[in-house]
Amino acid sequence: GAVVSQHPSWVICKSGTSVKIECRSLDFQATTMFWYRQFPKQSLMLMATSNEGSKATYEQGVEKDKFLINHASLTLSTLTVTSAHPEDSSFYICSARDGSHTDTQYFGPGTRLTVL
Amino acid sequence: DQQVKQNSPSLSVQEGRISILNCDYTNSMFDYFLWYKKYPAEGPTFLISISSIKDKNEDGRFTVFLNKSAKHLSLHIVPSQPGDSAVYFCAATFGSGNTGKLIFGQGTTLQVKP
Repeated sequence: GAVVSQHPSWVICKSGTSVKIECRSLDFQATTMFWYRQFPKQSLMLMATSNEGSKATYEQGVEKDKFLINHASLTLSTLTVTSAHPEDSSFYICSARDGSHTDTQYFGPGTRLTVL
Repeated sequence: DQQVKQNSPSLSVQEGRISILNCDYTNSMFDYFLWYKKYPAEGPTFLISISSIKDKNEDGRFTVFLNKSAKHLSLHIVPSQPGDSAVYFCAATFGSGNTGKLIFGQGTTLQVKP
């Protein structure tokens, strides 16, 4: 199957700093990428939908100025957590839609963010 | 508002037996349902899906059943194997199959004992 990578796999940062997480589709072009967040023992919650070349669509309750999403190419989307705080500590997962298939969405391995 | 619910946080079965994982949903607009398997610190892996026009879909040891009137779906794994031990999420979407926005349940941790 298609591969989606995320970098870094884990990151620890100080409160107030910004962290960028990359999501790449390695062997297909992703017209749409999705960003999810998972708190311990909870469900994956969709944060935003990112379409290549256009602004991301954020879910209700997700601060667009805090979680900056850029989808500049068909193989790369980035999520930047700005001015991170301890409550932003979570597991962030991206998924990518394979534009050549109508029913395939592939998930990345996730990024564990810990804000001290 | 939890639109997709997995009311059993955990399930333990003996190797070789059947595992049945349940999922309920509230939004009647959902027309496509998926099951994912997830290991700790990894992303979900797609297992099996079902369209709302069907009531059953089978793939090897995995079968998904959909009861639209009850807004309920279930995943059957038979026979269960120790390697099936993981967290299982059901997800629902509408309008565009697996390419659309997915709404996930809370997950059920399955433990298959040798």
